[in-house]
Amino acid sequence: EAGVTQFPSHSVIEKGQTVTLRCDPISGHDNLYWYRRVMGKEIKFLLHFVKESKQDESGMPNNRFLAERTGGTYSTLKVQPAELEDSGVYFCASSQDTRVGPDGSEAFFGQGTRLTVV
Amino acid sequence: AQSVAQPEDQVNVAEGNPLTVKCTYSVSGNPYLFWYVQYPNRGLQFLLKYITGDNLVKGSYGFEAEFNKSQTSFHLKKPSALVSDSALYFCAVEPSGSARQLTFGSGTQLTVLP
Repeated sequence: EAGVTQFPSHSVIEKGQTVTLRCDPISGHDNLYWYRRVMGKEIKFLLHFVKESKQDESGMPNNRFLAERTGGTYSTLKVQPAELEDSGVYFCASSQDTRVGPDGSEAFFGQGTRLTVV
Repeated sequence: AQSVAQPEDQVNVAEGNPLTVKCTYSVSGNPYLFWYVQYPNRGLQFLLKYITGDNLVKGSYGFEAEFNKSQTSFHLKKPSALVSDSALYFCAVEPSGSARQLTFGSGTQLTVLP
């Protein structure tokens, strides 16, 4: 079974440019999450999709970030225009269950996209 | 709001010695607790979780963690470290009954010296 796949693995862009990150979740996982780790700090939650709907986008830093999941399969995260502070590693994760619980499943993470804005 | 603290940025241990990576948490209600590991150039890999039941949880690669409610801790342990255990370890908490949103600690870099 394929895991969570993210593209690209690395991206270097100039301030003001646009970048689109892609995440392909594990097949059959309705729940998809985006997280970000900036400058060696905590990994922070950005948002959560259930199928194509945004369940929780409380972690999105500002309106320069746009996440989509058309058709409830893969997701994209667009940063437009990129700023220096957007540099970091962006992780995508997916899970089968919306809630953990004793019978629930954990979230599986991709390898991350390292974004560098110069 | 929930939070996770990993007080050590770096832990060094000799191969064959026991290792401990510390984690404390703050959350309303009963927590769900997780450990993830990131090897170089790899994604986050799930190690183990505490949901309910036995306070000692066993996970992948010989790791275990002990949930201590009174001390609000969930330290990761392994009886005998391997050089291949060298990686970045993250503790995370998810409040029970909430929608899925993991809160992570800042990570601890474990280096096992041969």
